[in-house]
Parts: sequence; C-alpha cells; structure tokens
Amino acid sequence: SQQGEEDPQALSIQEGENATMNCSYKTSINNLQWYRQNSGRGLVHLILIRSNEREKHSGRLRVTLDTSKKSSSLLITASRAADTASYFCATGNYGQNFVFGPGTRLSVLP
Amino acid sequence: EPEVTQTPSHQVTQMGQEVILRCVPISNHLYFYWYRQILGQKVEFLVSFYNNEISEKSEIFDDQFSVERPDGSNFTLKIRSTKLEDSAMYFCASSLAGRRDGYTFGSGTRLTVV
Repeated sequence: SQQGEEDPQALSIQEGENATMNCSYKTSINNLQWYRQNSGRGLVHLILIRSNEREKHSGRLRVTLDTSKKSSSLLITASRAADTASYFCATGNYGQNFVFGPGTRLSVLP
Repeated sequence: EPEVTQTPSHQVTQMGQEVILRCVPISNHLYFYWYRQILGQKVEFLVSFYNNEISEKSEIFDDQFSVERPDGSNFTLKIRSTKLEDSAMYFCASSLAGRRDGYTFGSGTRLTVV
C-alpha cells in the first residue's frame, strides 16, 4: 500500500511556535499532498509537491519531500490558534487514487 | 474562489432506506470522486468518475453504492438499503487534471443511519 502515515498522531504547541508534522509512505509516488480538516468539516487542500520537487512554500507553510527516505514534512511557522486542525498527507501515483493517512491532530494553544 | 458544493449537510435516514447525496463539482473540472470518513477514522476512497463512467472504485464501493452524473453539473452518490455502518461523513471532490492535480473537496454530508 502506498498509504501515508503521519507522525506524530497528536501535537500540542503554543501560539507563535512552529509545528512540524511528518508523513512516511511505502511505495513510489508521483506526488504528495497535504490537507487540513477542521473538526467536523471538509478537507482543505494545502500544498501539492511532485516527486521531482524537494521543497515548496505557501505562506506560513513549508513542505519538503525526500523520495529516497519516502517521507515528507509539513512545517507551519508562527502558528496561530486558527491552525488547530487535523492534517493529512495523501499520496498519489499513476493508476491509483489518493490514499490518506490517519492524520496528525494539531492543537495550538493561545 | 470556486467551490465544490454538497447537499444536504446532514442527512438522517432509517436503516434499509435509500439515500442520495448530491454534489456540484467545480464547473470546469473533469474528474470526480467520493470519499468517506467514519467518525474518528481515516478518509477512505470510494470511487472516481471520469468521462461519464467509473474509472476506479474501492472494495467499499460494492453493489449497494452507485454514482451518477445526471446532468452537466451534478454528481450524485446513491446508497441503497442503508446500514448502520454506513454512518459517516461523505466527501465529494473534483479535480481538473486527476491525480496530477490537487483535489478540491466539498464540506461533506454527514450521514446518520438509525
């Protein structure tokens, strides 16, 4: 299975701190995406990083991809209480639909 | 910004009844998907739809489920003879370029089977 697994399962930080979440997967991928889900709400697409890319930025978000280690990380800098959510990585490859990991629950305390 | 719209936001149905979950994908998107998330569990792929036919489906998507694009804008998921274990959040998603692209998800329909 190419399913991504996020780590840690839960993360609690203070507002203003940086939050780092990791995703590991098992098979080769074409791209990897990160999504956010607020409690009881839909999934919001954050960033897509392709297998030939190593790093991408979007605002306070920074995603890295290491295909040799089959891992990705999502860094949220200067976190805010509104960043409190679950974060999922989803791995994609030709011939297979995106598979979501179980997610990291991030709590940003004011 | 374009959105994927799902209706209803919450549906309660009796076991054994049929339900239809509705989605309006982004108008120029070509690929459509249904995912579900049982409370507290992972987001699971159900089915993908392209060019007016199912392109892929998971083991979950058995004969109880069907999808349809009845017109140029709607994309529906029908669940026949609902079971208690069908209770979940159902998400519709669309994409312009399939797996090469990010998916835009709707806010979901919470289905409760009683």
